Amino acid sequence: GDSVTQTEGPVTVSESESLIINCTYSATSIAYPNLFWYVRYPGEGLQLLLKVITAGQKGSSRGFEATYNKETTSFHLQKASVQESDSAVYYCALGDFDYNQGKLIFGQGTKLSIKP
Amino acid sequence: EAAVTQSPRNKVAVTGGKVTLSCNQTNNHNNMYWYRQDTGHGLRLIHYSYGAGSTEKGDIPDGYKASRPSQENFSLILELATPSQTSVYFCASGAGAANTLYFGAGTRLSVL
Repeated sequence: GDSVTQTEGPVTVSESESLIINCTYSATSIAYPNLFWYVRYPGEGLQLLLKVITAGQKGSSRGFEATYNKETTSFHLQKASVQESDSAVYYCALGDFDYNQGKLIFGQGTKLSIKP
Repeated sequence: EAAVTQSPRNKVAVTGGKVTLSCNQTNNHNNMYWYRQDTGHGLRLIHYSYGAGSTEKGDIPDGYKASRPSQENFSLILELATPSQTSVYFCASGAGAANTLYFGAGTRLSVL
């Protein structure tokens, strides 16, 4: 089936250090997968961080980046130098470009805490 | 700016009682969604809608009904709440396909 697996949390990183949150997906029934990272800050709803709809392309936003790798079925989230304000829960998600439903399949979320 | 508002934000219900979770969006999006999230699980889709008057079953619809009386409003109804429905519920709106989903802040439901 279709699924998303991401780094088990919680993850703690010191401020100014680098970050990687792994995400792998299985898209057996999706003809045209597209990939997303959403973030949820405390007390708020999920909001889009970045998305990539074409394999081989990289998305970036707020210093975060992720590359859609079709060969390894991965979409890892990276940041070179984290800030305290990056503390949040990060969700990797898989969607189907071919349908108008706009439904997404989410990973379990990775809670990130930044140590000052 | 896109806005999705959920109410209530917190709810305690009794087993066997009826619970209604409400969602309002000002984005004029055709599609709306109800997800639930439990510890260790990603968000799972309960019901969704393509527009006023339409509701569709998602991946885990059992025990839930949905209602879309207008473009702006989408409700999730638990006719006979059970403790297994204790969760955090998220509503979202979107324009379909690869478009961004806009989420509400969530409703924390406890069924005792």
